[in-house]
Amino acid sequence: EDQVTQSPEALRLQEGESSSLNCSYTVSGLRGLFWYRQDPGKGPEFLFTLYSAGEEKEKERLKATLTKKESFLHITAPKPEDSATYLCAVRSPRGGSNYKLTFGKGTLLTVNP
Amino acid sequence: SAVISQKPSRDICQRGTSLTIQCQVDSQVTMMFWYRQQPGQSLTLIATANQGSEATYESGFVIDKFPISRPNLTFSTLTVSNMSPEDSSIYLCSVDSFGDTQYFGPGTRLTVL
Repeated sequence: EDQVTQSPEALRLQEGESSSLNCSYTVSGLRGLFWYRQDPGKGPEFLFTLYSAGEEKEKERLKATLTKKESFLHITAPKPEDSATYLCAVRSPRGGSNYKLTFGKGTLLTVNP
Repeated sequence: SAVISQKPSRDICQRGTSLTIQCQVDSQVTMMFWYRQQPGQSLTLIATANQGSEATYESGFVIDKFPISRPNLTFSTLTVSNMSPEDSSIYLCSVDSFGDTQYFGPGTRLTVL
């Protein structure tokens, strides 16, 4: 069974204080690792997809990296508007074009001004 | 990405009643998914609803409790039947246009008294 573990559960940063979120996974046949951002009362918003170890993606202050066992979401010089829950998910195949996403519980990031 | 809407955005229901949640997409999509997000838990897939076939339910979820309709390529409904307080949760639909990335609706917050 696919498993995704995110750490820490919660992280509080001062504005400008860079840090990283971790996503450890076990999956049968990885077909992509996804990062989403979720604001309170809203649905998850897609950020990145990573497909193979060594791959990196960047968007503004966020950079996602992938190894064979984990992914990191690096946040450089965060701002209060980066406060949200960050979700990690892995995709595994289910036959034909079908697949399943398995999510972690998320990391609640709070950035104080 | 597709624009996804859900109705209702929130509801408070009595034990033993049923609620139907609607998911509307602004473009035709093959794959639609229904998730449940309980406090402190990860997003959990309830079922996959592909047009032209019966919904496929995940372990722990049954059609009698969560009947799903998928009448066309832009619309789906999820019914939560014979509700109990344990069904209080956020219910989310998501879509995948190209077999690559899932995009989520805003969610329906359900409280069962």
